[in-house]
Amino acid sequence: KAGVTQTPRYLIKTRGQQVTLSCSPISGHRSVSWYQQTPGQGLQFLFEYFSETQRNKGNFPGRFSGRQFSNSRSEMNVSTLELGDSALYLCASSERTGEGEKLFFGSGTQLSVL
Amino acid sequence: GQNIDQPTEMTATEGAIVQINCTYQTSGFNGLFWYQQHAGEAPTFLSYNVLDGLEEKGRFSSFLSRSKGYSYLLLKELQMKDSASYLCAVRRNDYKLSFGAGTTVTVRA
Repeated sequence: KAGVTQTPRYLIKTRGQQVTLSCSPISGHRSVSWYQQTPGQGLQFLFEYFSETQRNKGNFPGRFSGRQFSNSRSEMNVSTLELGDSALYLCASSERTGEGEKLFFGSGTQLSVL
Repeated sequence: GQNIDQPTEMTATEGAIVQINCTYQTSGFNGLFWYQQHAGEAPTFLSYNVLDGLEEKGRFSSFLSRSKGYSYLLLKELQMKDSASYLCAVRRNDYKLSFGAGTTVTVRA
């Protein structure tokens, strides 16, 4: 099976712009979650989608939004970008197995806001 | 909310054993994960504990005590490639997953 795929790998934007990041989960995985990772804050949970429904949301402003499509692919959008939004954005898909639940991460999108 | 605490840094010698502790406070506990993350790469799954006890997988073992809000990751026979950040993450019943800040392990020859 192919792993979690995130595009683009790198992105440079300026303040005030908006950005859309894409995530394709592992085939068969219905849960997709998004995280922001910065050196100072570590991994921060953004939101999780399951079968096209947002199942949970972290403590981020409304500028951060997401959605999931019927094929489980997910997109994350950040509007009115701020310098502090510069971070690595990671997407993960999960499955529940006999060994418990496993989360698989994509390589991330490195966003730089200038 | 929940608090997840783990040491910031640990250093050990090749071939040695290192234990990374993680303490947490949460409501509706539904599992604890350990991930390994090398610099510039995505986190990779190491272990998942939902019941008390020790889970062993080769050189890595993870322990959980739900009553104490405590877990540890044990790395045995350390190798240079084990130098990485190790992340403790707690999942609640509402599926929300929260990560600790991570422990940077440096393995020296």
